[in-house]
Amino acid sequence: AQSVTQLDSHVSVSEGTPVLLRCNYSSSYSPSLFWYVQHPNKGLQLLLKYTSAATLVKGINGFEAEFKKSETSFHLTKPSAHMSDAAEYFCVVTRILTGGGNKLTFGTGTQLKVEL
Amino acid sequence: ETGVTQTPRHLVMGMTNKKSLKCEQHLGHNAMYWYKQSAKKPLELMFVYNFKEQTENNSVPSRFSPECPNSSHLFLHLHTLQPEDSALYLCASSSGGVGSQETQYFGPGTRLLVL
Repeated sequence: AQSVTQLDSHVSVSEGTPVLLRCNYSSSYSPSLFWYVQHPNKGLQLLLKYTSAATLVKGINGFEAEFKKSETSFHLTKPSAHMSDAAEYFCVVTRILTGGGNKLTFGTGTQLKVEL
Repeated sequence: ETGVTQTPRHLVMGMTNKKSLKCEQHLGHNAMYWYKQSAKKPLELMFVYNFKEQTENNSVPSRFSPECPNSSHLFLHLHTLQPEDSALYLCASSSGGVGSQETQYFGPGTRLLVL
């Protein structure tokens, strides 16, 4: 079985300061991990994904995440927050389906608030 | 029109009503998915279709009935729902390849309220 735990349900930062959203995973084999973002009244958008290549993954809008097997973590970071980053962020572990496609297992989400 | 679209965006229904949610993808994908997003619960996969065939049913109650007439369209037929079924229902699609970690593209969702 696979699961992810997002350690913070809410994170608040000031504009221009670093962002850290924490995620730990549990998997019986080498996992693939994604981060998705959900803005109000919009669909989920993929930020980045790790699929066993480079452990430091760069995504869109300046976000990046580092896969650390020893810590079973996949934390999302950004050096400088922007007001437009305010949204809900989901850490996701995936499993390939034998019938095609893949199954996403979502964390409970972290609501990021960016203040002036 | 591009991406994944869902209609209606909002739906209010009584417990005895029958309604349908529609999803359409314009990405040339072969796999389509239904997810449920409830307040204070993680997003849950409900159904997966690949090349019009259902490949996953995540123990979903029979009052939810999916239909996939072709690779571009996915429906979720609803009947005799319960108030706890009120949620945001999200549709997604992916290329449908076997053995790869694909990106799923999501629609904006249908906000359902069951009275």
